[in-house]
Amino acid sequence: AQRVTQPEKLLSVFKGAPVELKCNYSYSGSPELFWYVQYSRQRLQLLLRHISRESIKGFTADLNKGETSFHLKKPFAQEEDSAMYYCALKVRGYGQNFVFGPGTRLSVLP
Amino acid sequence: DAGVTQSPTHLIKTRGQQVTLRCSPKSGHDTVSWYQQALGQGPQFIFQYYEEEERQRGNFPDRFSGHQFPNYSSELNVNALLLGDSALYLCASSLGVQAYEQYFGPGTRLTVT
Repeated sequence: AQRVTQPEKLLSVFKGAPVELKCNYSYSGSPELFWYVQYSRQRLQLLLRHISRESIKGFTADLNKGETSFHLKKPFAQEEDSAMYYCALKVRGYGQNFVFGPGTRLSVLP
Repeated sequence: DAGVTQSPTHLIKTRGQQVTLRCSPKSGHDTVSWYQQALGQGPQFIFQYYEEEERQRGNFPDRFSGHQFPNYSSELNVNALLLGDSALYLCASSLGVQAYEQYFGPGTRLTVT
């Protein structure tokens, strides 16, 4: 069965400190993984996907198939990074669906 | 473009009743997916509609049904409501059934008493 886990419900760091939000998955097929973010009073939105291998707002994420992980990293956290972060796995079928993890709330302290 | 819109914003129903939630996709999008988000949890996939057909379904009972109209808007119907159906219901739209980028609506908060 497909599953996404995020072990931390809450992660607090100080401004300027490095951030790592953990995500692990289980999937029998070729995984396609994403990070979604939800800022306060805003909608859930796509942050980045592993295929693009790009950096968005200073965040990067590398897919490690051996460890079945897709951790989100940023070298220097900013207060505006405070938000809810969800890791998601795309499952293809006749259509498609996304399996979301439970989310990690990142709080960047001044 | 207002993006994905959902109605109503919130509603309260009694156990055993039926409810219909509505979603209008982002302009130009033809695919709609529905998710249930319980408090403190991530969104859980209910089903996806494309070309007025249910293309994929998550692990939800038949009490949950949907529809997509020719203008791509969609409805989610839940029959015989249970207390456990209380959640935020999110609609997401995309261009194409396999598109990786989904745009989410603000959600409908359903409370079942």
